[in-house]
Amino acid sequence: DVVMTQTPVSLSLAIGQPASISCKSSQSLLGTSGKTFLNWILQRPGQSPKRLIYQVSKLYSEVPDRFSGSGSETEFTLKISRVEAEDLGVYYCWQGTHFPQTFGGGTKLELK
Amino acid sequence: EVQLVETGGGLVQPGKSLKLTCATSGFTFSTAWMHWVRQSPEKRLEWIARIKDKSNNYATDYVESVKGRFTISRDDSKSSVYLQMNSLKEEDTATYYCTTGKDWGQGVMVTVSS
Repeated sequence: DVVMTQTPVSLSLAIGQPASISCKSSQSLLGTSGKTFLNWILQRPGQSPKRLIYQVSKLYSEVPDRFSGSGSETEFTLKISRVEAEDLGVYYCWQGTHFPQTFGGGTKLELK
Repeated sequence: EVQLVETGGGLVQPGKSLKLTCATSGFTFSTAWMHWVRQSPEKRLEWIARIKDKSNNYATDYVESVKGRFTISRDDSKSSVYLQMNSLKEEDTATYYCTTGKDWGQGVMVTVSS
């Protein structure tokens, strides 16, 4: 199975600071279709996961543009340009290129 | 508005069975590929099963840890997806989510304990 490794495990930031989360995969996530199925989801405290980004860098329509995703092959990054209070929770990367789909261990964003 | 509502969880003894239901609305269920993902008490997420749509012959896939014990199915007339879980083990204890890959349900807890 593809192993997804996220760093850091936790992040403590003040409102307005930028955030960066790394996700590395044990195999290239570039599929035979030419697409890279790397997603990011956010799980706020006490809630179910919510979609953020798909195919590395495509934001869902409801996601604020302070979020961005980048990367290729085996290294990916989620960035928040200026953290807001509603951004706290656990961020997971998730690959859908290889079977079975696998998730990173999560990065907990806390407010300082 | 897309809604996915899981039901059927609870406390069950090892070796017993349980069936989860995910009732959906707000999207074209009949063409959606549906998944079950579980989250352990340690908060690790694990994809466990997928069922494709009619045009793909309702093909199913499972993670190795549940293959032969769990069965995913769907009823397009009810816009619902199911997870039949047999021979449950303590390590199956988790919150189970159904998801389209874009939208997620609120989850349902399953506890396997004697």
